Amino acid sequence: AQSVAQPEDQVNVAEGNPLTVKCTYSVSGNPYLFWYVQYPNRGLQFLLKYITGDNLVKGSYGFEAEFNKSQTSFHLKKPSALVSDSALYFCAVRDTGGFKTIFGAGTRLFVKA
Amino acid sequence: GAVVSQHPSRVICKSGTSVKIECRSLDFQATTMFWYRQFPKQSLMLMATSNEGSKATYEQGVEKDKFLINHASLTLSTLTVTSAHPEDSSFYICSAPTKGVSTDTQYFGPGTRLTVL
Repeated sequence: AQSVAQPEDQVNVAEGNPLTVKCTYSVSGNPYLFWYVQYPNRGLQFLLKYITGDNLVKGSYGFEAEFNKSQTSFHLKKPSALVSDSALYFCAVRDTGGFKTIFGAGTRLFVKA
Repeated sequence: GAVVSQHPSRVICKSGTSVKIECRSLDFQATTMFWYRQFPKQSLMLMATSNEGSKATYEQGVEKDKFLINHASLTLSTLTVTSAHPEDSSFYICSAPTKGVSTDTQYFGPGTRLTVL
């Protein structure tokens, strides 16, 4: 069965500092991995995805994520955090060949000015 | 990215009434759409997969007679919460992939906040 773990409920970062939001996954085959961001009372916005190829994926708003197969991780990173990055971040996994997407519990990012 | 809309954005209803939520893909056709439910400070729970031209596929534990799904066209799916009760109060979000292949990105609607009094 597919599963996604986001071990941190909240991440606190000072503006200008690098940020990392952690995600580990479990699937039976090769995974498709996604990161989404959610602002209050809004739907989810797509940030980036890993399908195949280069392990470092670059996405929207300066975010990137690194796929690590041996550690089954897909951590979201940004070199310099902005206050406007404060939001709820979801990691998601999809098994190849299917459409069913499983979401992690979410990590709230708080960037302090 | 692709645009998915939902209507209404917010609805308050009395217990026992039915509420219909619409999900539209505005700039692409979607043979498949997904309906999620999100409780406060929790993740998204997949409720069902809406298929154009066929019956919806419901996840385990989701009552299909309670949550009626109709995929009327390639751009419209509706979720009807029948005989709503306060425990049905939640944030409902739909999504759709643009290309219909498993590598595709899902695009999400802005969500509908349902409050049942």
